[in-house]
Amino acid sequence: QVQLQESGPGLVKASETLSLTCTVSGVSISSYYWSWIRQPPGKGLEWIGYVHHSGSTNSHPSLKSRVTISVDTSKNQFSLRLSYVTAADTAVYYCVRHRGYSGHDYFDSWGLGTLVTVSS
Amino acid sequence: DIQMTQSPSTLSASVGDRVTITCRASQSITNWLAWYQQKPGKAPKLLIYEASSLESGVPSRFSGSGSGTEFTLTISSLQPDDFATYYCQQYDSYPWTFGQGTKVEIK
Repeated sequence: QVQLQESGPGLVKASETLSLTCTVSGVSISSYYWSWIRQPPGKGLEWIGYVHHSGSTNSHPSLKSRVTISVDTSKNQFSLRLSYVTAADTAVYYCVRHRGYSGHDYFDSWGLGTLVTVSS
Repeated sequence: DIQMTQSPSTLSASVGDRVTITCRASQSITNWLAWYQQKPGKAPKLLIYEASSLESGVPSRFSGSGSGTEFTLTISSLQPDDFATYYCQQYDSYPWTFGQGTKVEIK
């Protein structure tokens, strides 16, 4: 059974870079696509971007200039870097696994989520 | 971006009630729609994919229907465990987007 676990600092200063890692267990990271999704406190869900073990990535146009998503197959992990953060980036960040057909993917397994707060 | 609009935003219902939540897309998404359930402090859980396919392990009282721009999630007989917030998600085109959520509350 797949398990995903987010890790990283819970507090980031404004204008700095948010860095999170998702450790995947129970399945090879090379077998699926993987995404980051976030949820500001009390609000809805926003897809941030995905990565594939091949190095293929895609991200939300509104975040594309600040987002880097990478994969480390040797550690069965993938990571998110979000630069120049502001208070609007305060959210619970989830790592998720894709299921579906090329470009038509939904999310069948989720990490527990980690709250990242941006401080001024 | 494709805009997903759910209605109602909040729904008050009793155990045993039949509950229907609607999700409308700003353009046709064929049947590329998923539904998730989220409880407070927890990650969302996949319920339905491809508009009407029930995820393994999800109770059969949950069902989805629709195509094009209008979709519904129905709970045939609401159970205590079903009080939660429900989100739809389109995966027809990037960026994948979610509805704003429908909170199902105890009446």
